[in-house]
Amino acid sequence: EVQLVESGGGLVQPGGSLRLSCAASGFTFSSYWMSWVRQAPGKGLEWVANIKQDGSEKYYVDSVKGRFTISRDNAKNSLYLQMNSLRAEDTAVYYCARVLRGGSYEYGYWGQGTLVTVSS
Amino acid sequence: QSALTQPASVSGSPGQSITISCTGTSSDVGGYNYVSWYQQHPGKAPKLMIYDVSNRPSGVSNRFSGSKSGNTASLTISGLQAEDEADYYCSSYTSSSTQVFGTGTKVTVL
Repeated sequence: EVQLVESGGGLVQPGGSLRLSCAASGFTFSSYWMSWVRQAPGKGLEWVANIKQDGSEKYYVDSVKGRFTISRDNAKNSLYLQMNSLRAEDTAVYYCARVLRGGSYEYGYWGQGTLVTVSS
Repeated sequence: QSALTQPASVSGSPGQSITISCTGTSSDVGGYNYVSWYQQHPGKAPKLMIYDVSNRPSGVSNRFSGSKSGNTASLTISGLQAEDEADYYCSSYTSSSTQVFGTGTKVTVL
């Protein structure tokens, strides 16, 4: 059974940093693109970033470029999101998501999400 | 990277059919057959309902179907049921090699 478990969320002050983790199990982690998707309270889904199977390609939504870094450790079956220079508008539930098929674009599996709150 | 445009709400009676539209541009919806649809119940993670415009993942009811014409994709739910009441989001691959979600549609079963 595919499982994605996020951790690392919490309360952080504006300008601060946070590192989110996603522990994957139940599949060959190194065979799939992985992504982070966020959802601000009461708002819609927003795609944040994705990373290729071997980490050689990474893409970001414009609003986080230069502040967030997505990475993965295939030996540890883990996905990460390093978030720096956090802003109030980054407050959201952050979901780790796996594509349905190796190199496809739809998210067939999601974690339960971890809440990040940016506030003083 | 503007969000795809969806109607804020759509409603229907049990047994009826409803259609949700998702309008983008030639750089996303119109340029690729990589449109997906997600269902999200309150407090839950999204669930994939349709991928590659019109394909259903294993386990998704055949009451859900997808299509696309030009820059607009559509999700149709036939035989509406109470359990279909949820938020629905479209998503598309973009020419920037990123993804973009729609603004979301709240489906209400009357």
